[in-house]
Amino acid sequence: NAGVTQTPKFRVLKTGQSMTLLCAQDMNHEYMYWYRQDPGMGLRLIHYSVGEGTTAKGEVPDGYNVSRLKKQNFLLGLESAAPSQTSVYFCASSYWTGQGNQPQHFGDGTRLSIL
Amino acid sequence: DQQVKQNSPSLSVQEGRISILNCDYTNSMFDYFLWYKKYPAEGPTFLISISSIKDKNEDGRFTVFLNKSAKHLSLHIVPSQPGDSAVYFCAASEKNAGNMLTFGGGTRLMVKP
Repeated sequence: NAGVTQTPKFRVLKTGQSMTLLCAQDMNHEYMYWYRQDPGMGLRLIHYSVGEGTTAKGEVPDGYNVSRLKKQNFLLGLESAAPSQTSVYFCASSYWTGQGNQPQHFGDGTRLSIL
Repeated sequence: DQQVKQNSPSLSVQEGRISILNCDYTNSMFDYFLWYKKYPAEGPTFLISISSIKDKNEDGRFTVFLNKSAKHLSLHIVPSQPGDSAVYFCAASEKNAGNMLTFGGGTRLMVKP
């Protein structure tokens, strides 16, 4: 069971370039999330999705777009990369039982550097 | 303003002794709290959680305590092992809010043999 898989693992971009980060989960989870981790700041939520075809903004959504066309995939896009978006990006997924919150399961991250 | 804070960036403990990691929060709407463990170059791994209706939850060597009046939670690891050396994040979520997590900044635990 692969769990949550993120591709690519590393990427270097130039300012102004665009790219898409892919997240795939095989646990049939309803909810999916994108976070960024910066030194000393923990993980901050960028966008999330509560189901196929739905997305919502998190704490730091500016400069990012997302899409959830299939239940198992959640894409994070950078339209015009900026050096401030240099970070480690984590995708996560979770069940929704309707009876309270559930732990999220994380991928191993994408390290993105923007020059 | 950070709603979840871990005021100790690092902690060093001798193998076999107790490790106590602390976390404070300000949002009174949080009702579910979690601890994650993170090794370098890996994603966070879920460790243990506690609902606001409880004040203690145990899982093997790991115990989480919740003090709602003080808006404080702690993770106790007994006995500590060298393999426990990692960064520990506490996180919190509100009921009916998309299961979104708010994370603290993390505490790096070093367990010395």
